[in-house]
Amino acid sequence: GQQVMQIPQYQHVQEGEDFTTYCNSSTTLSNIQWYKQRPGGHPVFLIQLVKSGEVKKQKRLTFQFGEAKKNSSLHITATQTTDVGTYFCAGHRSGGSYIPTFGRGTSLIVHP
Amino acid sequence: EPEVTQTPSHQVTQMGQEVILRCVPISNHLYFYWYRQILGQKVEFLVSFYNNEISEKSEIFDDQFSVERPDGSNFTLKIRSTKLEDSAMYFCASAPRLGRGEETQYFGPGTRLLVL
Repeated sequence: GQQVMQIPQYQHVQEGEDFTTYCNSSTTLSNIQWYKQRPGGHPVFLIQLVKSGEVKKQKRLTFQFGEAKKNSSLHITATQTTDVGTYFCAGHRSGGSYIPTFGRGTSLIVHP
Repeated sequence: EPEVTQTPSHQVTQMGQEVILRCVPISNHLYFYWYRQILGQKVEFLVSFYNNEISEKSEIFDDQFSVERPDGSNFTLKIRSTKLEDSAMYFCASAPRLGRGEETQYFGPGTRLLVL
């Protein structure tokens, strides 16, 4: 079945440093979504990428979707303590299924 | 801002007992989902529901699980005979529609289920 690998599992950064998490799918995706989950909270939708090579920005967050639509990344510039949480990608497989496959998430710890 | 609500927030049950987890999706949404997240692990899809029937389900969603939309607002997940390994956070989610760019899902706060 479809697998979505996400690395790294954990990332410690000093406040102000940059952070990147990567997702790789075993199959071509129709789209990919990114979620943030604060400790003890629920996943909150951040963004969806649909087009090959798409790049979207939200303030300090930059999201990319690979040309082959099999990988994606989330980059945070100049992290802040409010960025702490686990960032999940979730991919929908091409071909009509709407079952999302989540990556296992990258937990970001920001040290002040 | 509209949000998905779930009750109860916590549920403790004995192995073999039946539990019903309840969700109230956002009112104009058409697609409903249940996910689970075992402590410290990734979110796993269980089932999607549209037009009063299951659209898709995962391997986890076996005969012990069922979903229902008993009225116009509630969406329930029933586990018939709970097992220890059913202990997890269960999230309900809803989406306005499916289609290019419209798959955004809004998650509820979750029900933490503990099976003893």
